[in-house]
Amino acid sequence: SAVISQKPSRDICQRGTSLTIQCQVDSQVTMMFWYRQQPGQSLTLIATANQGSEATYESGFVIDKFPISRPNLTFSTLTVSNMSPEDSSIYLCSARYTTNEKLFFGSGTQLSVL
Amino acid sequence: AQTVTQSQPEMSVQEAETVTLSCTYDTSESDYYLFWYKQPPSRQMILVIRQEAYKQQNATENRFSVNFQKAAKSFSLKISDSQLGDAAMYFCAYSTSGSRLTFGEGTQLTVNP
Repeated sequence: SAVISQKPSRDICQRGTSLTIQCQVDSQVTMMFWYRQQPGQSLTLIATANQGSEATYESGFVIDKFPISRPNLTFSTLTVSNMSPEDSSIYLCSARYTTNEKLFFGSGTQLSVL
Repeated sequence: AQTVTQSQPEMSVQEAETVTLSCTYDTSESDYYLFWYKQPPSRQMILVIRQEAYKQQNATENRFSVNFQKAAKSFSLKISDSQLGDAAMYFCAYSTSGSRLTFGEGTQLTVNP
């Protein structure tokens, strides 16, 4: 198995503010990803976090709204900027392990925007 | 583009019985991976089982097994001797090597005592 630490586990934020979510993995991984899960729905990929360079965003997601950093192989952050109630979701970090190609997830961040 | 379809939004099973969750996918790739993830109310995504497309043998993990039909692009999950702790949302997912997961819409499994 794998250990992926994600924090905070939950937060309640005011409209217009920003929140940064951190993801730390326990060993070297090939790729790290950020997903959003809106209430009652499946997971949607926001972006692939690239080490030392700009993240690769999926259609519908932009860097100004969801800036992502990955300064090294085992750590990444996702910021949700200028939040609105529509950003209320679960945000999940995922990592693909070098040794076995398995993908594991962090415990998720439950975000509520008032 | 790859797509994953789970046609059963909800399923239920009696404790100790067997249940099968369905999943189909569409891809033009020949080499890929298929996964089943479990998401209980805690929201943690838990990897249940993984299948490599190049392997003909169906993957098995304790009470969980898959029926992988590559030609039919079908990947069902069988849960044997169902337990109350198996109640969760189950997601089928697809990936190629080094790429991200594409998820189905999920199947909510209820286990009745």
